[in-house]
Amino acid sequence: GAVVSQHPSRVICKSGTSVKIECRSLDFQATTMFWYRQFPKQSLMLMATSNEGSKATYEQGVEKDKFLINHASLTLSTLTVTSAHPEDSSFYICSASAHRASTDTQYFGPGTRLTVL
Amino acid sequence: DQQVKQNSPSLSVQEGRISILNCDYTNSMFDYFLWYKKYPAEGPTFLISISSIKDKNEDGRFTVFLNKSAKHLSLHIVPSQPGDSAVYFCAASGTEYGNKLVFGAGTILRVKS
Repeated sequence: GAVVSQHPSRVICKSGTSVKIECRSLDFQATTMFWYRQFPKQSLMLMATSNEGSKATYEQGVEKDKFLINHASLTLSTLTVTSAHPEDSSFYICSASAHRASTDTQYFGPGTRLTVL
Repeated sequence: DQQVKQNSPSLSVQEGRISILNCDYTNSMFDYFLWYKKYPAEGPTFLISISSIKDKNEDGRFTVFLNKSAKHLSLHIVPSQPGDSAVYFCAASGTEYGNKLVFGAGTILRVKS
């Protein structure tokens, strides 16, 4: 199956700093990438959808200036959490899809555990 | 407003028996449903899906049933194996959602040997 990697797997940072998380599709070209966050015992909540070469589409309630998403190539998307605060501590997961159809399978990365002190 | 609900946070089943995981949804515009399996420290992996034009889809030990009138779907695993122990997420999508998925909160399945 298709492989999606994320880096780093864990990051601890001080409040006020910025953190960049990378998501890579290793063996296929990802037309669309998605960023989710998951709080303990809750479902994966979609934050934004990004199509290669265009601006990301953010879900309601997600601050685009705080969560900067770049999808510069068909194999790489980055999420930057700017001026991180303790409430941003969460599990961030990306997924990638080769197409834009609703029935196309999304392949998930292993996730990044962010802890903001 | 949770559009996809998995009301059982956990389920414990004996090895060899059937595991039944349930999922309910509220939005009648959903027309495609998926189940994902997630191990600790890993991302979810796709398991099986079903389109709203069907009421059953089977793949080996895994079968998904869809009851559109009840807005309910279930995942049956038979026979259950210890390696099936994981968190199972139900997800829904629809044409008007593009290819965005709406996830349930997940059910932890423990298969005891």
